[in-house]
Amino acid sequence: SAVISQKPSRDICQRGTSLTIQCQVDSQVTMMFWYRQQPGQSLTLIATANQGSEATYESGFVIDKFPISRPNLTFSTLTVSNMSPEDSSIYLCSVANYRLNTEAFFGQGTRLTVV
Amino acid sequence: AQTVTQSQPEMSVQEAETVTLSCTYDTSESDYYLFWYKQPPSRQMILVIRQEAYKQQNATENRFSVNFQKAAKSFSLKISDSQLGDAAMYFCALYGGATNKLIFGTGTLLAVQP
Repeated sequence: SAVISQKPSRDICQRGTSLTIQCQVDSQVTMMFWYRQQPGQSLTLIATANQGSEATYESGFVIDKFPISRPNLTFSTLTVSNMSPEDSSIYLCSVANYRLNTEAFFGQGTRLTVV
Repeated sequence: AQTVTQSQPEMSVQEAETVTLSCTYDTSESDYYLFWYKQPPSRQMILVIRQEAYKQQNATENRFSVNFQKAAKSFSLKISDSQLGDAAMYFCALYGGATNKLIFGTGTLLAVQP
């Protein structure tokens, strides 16, 4: 199993500013994923972050808006840039090694409100 | 493309009764896994049960079991002896080995009535 610490747990931000969300894992993992969960909705994959390479973004998400860092096998950050109220969501970090244990583990999420 | 569909936005069950949550999916892959995740108000995603597509036997975890119909691409979750703590949002999810992504359905909000 993997224990994920995600910070901050919540924040209220002014529009036009940026917020960086941190994800720390208690073990080395190859694959890390960032999801967005808009109010009352499902989880949408933003990007896949592998250590040592550029993140791979899903359709509708771009690096300029959601830059991701993955400096090592236990840590990643997601930045939400130039925020607008539409960015108000829960952002979740996830790790998985489906070949080993076919299970994804999730952080507790960051509730972001943009005013 | 992979898709996951949950047609029941909300369900309700009496405590101690049984409820079934529906999920259908579509994938062109032969190597895939299916999951049910529970998300209580705390937001923490909790794995309820998983099923490997190559296994014919339906997965079971205590009060939770699935009905996996591979040909019909159906993956329903049965919760027996429902408890108040089962109240949560339930997401069906699909992982494809080739795409290496976990895709979620829209969720079913389960209420448990005392």
